[in-house]
Amino acid sequence: DAGITQSPRHKVTETGTPVTLRCHQTENHRYMYWYRQDPGHGLRLIHYSYGVKDTDKGEVSDGYSVSRSKTEDFLLTLESATSSQTSVYFCAIRPGSTDTQYFGPGTRLTVL
Amino acid sequence: KQEVTQIPAALSVPEGENLVLNCSFTDSAIYNLQWFRQDPGKGLTSLLLIQSSQREQTSGRLNASLDKSSGRSTLYIAASQPGDSATYLCAAGSGGSNYKLTFGKGTLLTVNP
Repeated sequence: DAGITQSPRHKVTETGTPVTLRCHQTENHRYMYWYRQDPGHGLRLIHYSYGVKDTDKGEVSDGYSVSRSKTEDFLLTLESATSSQTSVYFCAIRPGSTDTQYFGPGTRLTVL
Repeated sequence: KQEVTQIPAALSVPEGENLVLNCSFTDSAIYNLQWFRQDPGKGLTSLLLIQSSQREQTSGRLNASLDKSSGRSTLYIAASQPGDSATYLCAAGSGGSNYKLTFGKGTLLTVNP
């Protein structure tokens, strides 16, 4: 158990509203990642972080922003949610001593 | 841009059968290759990681191989059990300080009792 929690686990929102998803880890690992998983596309990297206040874009970053003000928390924000952002969002962490990534339980987001 | 393909998309086998899942990648300059398991409605669980300098890794009934030159990896599951039913994903890891994974779409495995 890598001590990763995601909140909320489920959310339904309306188009145009802002949404923030939270990933929390208890192990103080340096690297954290946000992915989305969609049928027909698999998992795709949205943003990642390699330290406090150090973040970078992934493959599908448009429409998303992230923040990491503390080691243990990595926030994903949809500034103005669209129906195309309906997905399951996974957070992952990577200890600096290994390349293995450990995944959280996911957040199912529905944008109506 | 790295692309990862997994064939077949779905596989159904009887219990006890040995089976092979396939993964191919387009850029052979990978740093490592990882295999994950995902149960319905759950997150991913890491199974095996093969460094680019390695040929294979084993964990229990699982054996993963890597052939960088041909852009292929296989996951061999021996004596399959119904509890092995899940989606199996492979992911190619890029190197450097900004280490990232590129995932395939997965193979849905069903082991029938």
